[in-house]
Amino acid sequence: AQSVTQLGSHVSVSEGALVLLRCNYSSSVPPYLFWYVQYPNQGLQLLLKYTTGATLVKGINGFEAEFKKSETSFHLTKPSAHMSDAAEYFCAVSGSTGNQFYFGTGTSLTVIP
Amino acid sequence: DAGVTQSPTHLIKTRGQQVTLRCSPKSGHDTVSWYQQALGQGPQFIFQYYEEEERQRGNFPDRFSGHQFPNYSSELNVNALLLGDSALYLCASTLGPGGRFYEQYFGPGTRLTVT
Repeated sequence: AQSVTQLGSHVSVSEGALVLLRCNYSSSVPPYLFWYVQYPNQGLQLLLKYTTGATLVKGINGFEAEFKKSETSFHLTKPSAHMSDAAEYFCAVSGSTGNQFYFGTGTSLTVIP
Repeated sequence: DAGVTQSPTHLIKTRGQQVTLRCSPKSGHDTVSWYQQALGQGPQFIFQYYEEEERQRGNFPDRFSGHQFPNYSSELNVNALLLGDSALYLCASTLGPGGRFYEQYFGPGTRLTVT
């Protein structure tokens, strides 16, 4: 079975500051890990994914995440926040067999000018 | 390139009624998954259709059913609506056999309100 915990339902950062959104997972099989972003009244957009290989994954809009097996974490970072980054972010996990797909409860990111 | 489309955008129903939501997958995709996203929560997997059959199912009652058509579009049906069914219903499409979730593309969703 797989599950995801996102620490912090709301995160506020100043424009230009580091963005760090936390995600810890639980999986009984090698996980596939994802970060999605959701803007108001829109569907989910894939930011980045980890399946196998390099543990530091780069995504769109300057975001990246690092898979740390020892810490069961997949935290999302961006060096410098932009106003357009304000949105809801979801971490998700799927088993390597692709059975089921589990989302966290989301983190709302606010960017302060 | 047409992305995932869903209809209707918004829907209001009364308890006990039945509802049908529709989804057209991204061009070239053949697998459709449905998710329920309650307010303030992450999406929860309902089921997935591939080759017109339900391939995977999450922890949802039989009131939730679906269908996939030969053109890969899909419907989600919910019977005997409850207030707790109020949510954003998301459709996602992928290419390939059921289970390749890592290439999912999501539609904008249908907002269902049950009164």
